Amino acid sequence: GQSLEQPSEVTAVEGAIVQINCTYQTSGFYGLSWYQQHDGGAPTFLSYNALDGLEETGRFSSFLSRSDSYGYLLLQELQMKDSASYFCAVRASYNTDKLIFGTGTRLQVFP
Amino acid sequence: DGGITQSPKYLFRKEGQNVTLSCEQNLNHDAMYWYRQDPGQGLRLIYYSQIVNDFQKGDIAEGYSVSREKKESFPLTVTSAQKNPTAFYLCASSIRLSGNTIYFGEGSWLTVV
Repeated sequence: GQSLEQPSEVTAVEGAIVQINCTYQTSGFYGLSWYQQHDGGAPTFLSYNALDGLEETGRFSSFLSRSDSYGYLLLQELQMKDSASYFCAVRASYNTDKLIFGTGTRLQVFP
Repeated sequence: DGGITQSPKYLFRKEGQNVTLSCEQNLNHDAMYWYRQDPGQGLRLIYYSQIVNDFQKGDIAEGYSVSREKKESFPLTVTSAQKNPTAFYLCASSIRLSGNTIYFGEGSWLTVV
């Protein structure tokens, strides 16, 4: 089967740094994405890694190691508005963009 | 503004009834998707379409049907054959074979009473 493993919940305080890990086991691999979803809302795209290494976008960074089937999302200078669920997703097919999603990590940021 | 519009936002259905969720996009995207999300769960793919008049089953297609008669529209019908239809349904789209971002609508909450 195909699966993506993430921690179910992470807590942190404002201003801190938090890392959300994702390990995947899929039939194919053509990129790892991260999405943010606030309660009751639509998931929104955060970042994408197709190659090994670190991608930085403002306070958020994402890392990929294809040899380890592993990636992480790093959130720096946490703000209260970062409280949300974060999903990793793998594009497992060459000829489609359909994504396989992890079960999500709920991040709670405290003052 | 470009985006994906889902309707209705909230829908109640009696057991045994079919219901159709609307999804319209004006992003000129070729590919469209339907995902189901249960409380505290990830997103599971129901159906997807890469081009007009073509669609493929996802991981949990049983009890659902779709059509793709127009590029901008991808309605989902939840049939009475779906045993546990109460969930949050998300429609999404992407530029075909972008390998990157897919864009989501705001979702539709379906409750079976």
